[in-house]
Amino acid sequence: GAVVSQHPSRVICKSGTSVKIECRSLDFQATTMFWYRQFPKQSLMLMATSNEGSKATYEQGVEKDKFLINHASLTLSTLTVTSAHPEDSSFYICSAHAAGGGETQYFGPGTRLLVL
Amino acid sequence: GEDVEQSLFLSVREGDSSVINCTYTDSSSTYLYWYKQEPGAGLQLLTYIFSNMDMKQDQRLTVLLNKKDKHLSLRIADTQTGDSAIYFCAETITGGGNKLTFGTGTQLKVEL
Repeated sequence: GAVVSQHPSRVICKSGTSVKIECRSLDFQATTMFWYRQFPKQSLMLMATSNEGSKATYEQGVEKDKFLINHASLTLSTLTVTSAHPEDSSFYICSAHAAGGGETQYFGPGTRLLVL
Repeated sequence: GEDVEQSLFLSVREGDSSVINCTYTDSSSTYLYWYKQEPGAGLQLLTYIFSNMDMKQDQRLTVLLNKKDKHLSLRIADTQTGDSAIYFCAETITGGGNKLTFGTGTQLKVEL
């Protein structure tokens, strides 16, 4: 089946630094990738939709200058949390929609970010 | 906007059936999904149903869709301790560009 990886799985950083999270589709090409944020014991909140070769579309209330998204190839999208603060601590999950893949999205294992 | 609700918690005994319910408000849903999330992990797609279907069965899983009442359910037969997890329903809507709207999640606890 389709596999999506995320790297790193867990990261701890100091306040004010930037953190990059990678999302890769390992055995398929993903024209669209989605980035979600999940707080403890809560549901997933869509942050942005990332299309290969074009600018990401951000959901209302998500700061595009804070959460930089790049989808440079059909197998890789990156989310950079810039000038991270403790309130950015969360579980970030990506998903990938296969090119011509119909209705299914495949999810990565998530990245746990802790900002001190 | 879309609103997808689930009950927060369900506890069942091993071997019994579990039924997890989901209600949604948007009538233009195209597909409805059930995902499973274990602690500290991503989401595993369990099954999905097209909005013009009433039922779909896949081994121990049965999905029922009542489009009139905007109600979706997931039945897990012969529930096992390995089924303990959080279950999310989700929907995509017509013109929504494959965006998923997730329910609030139901924590299933399976007791011996």
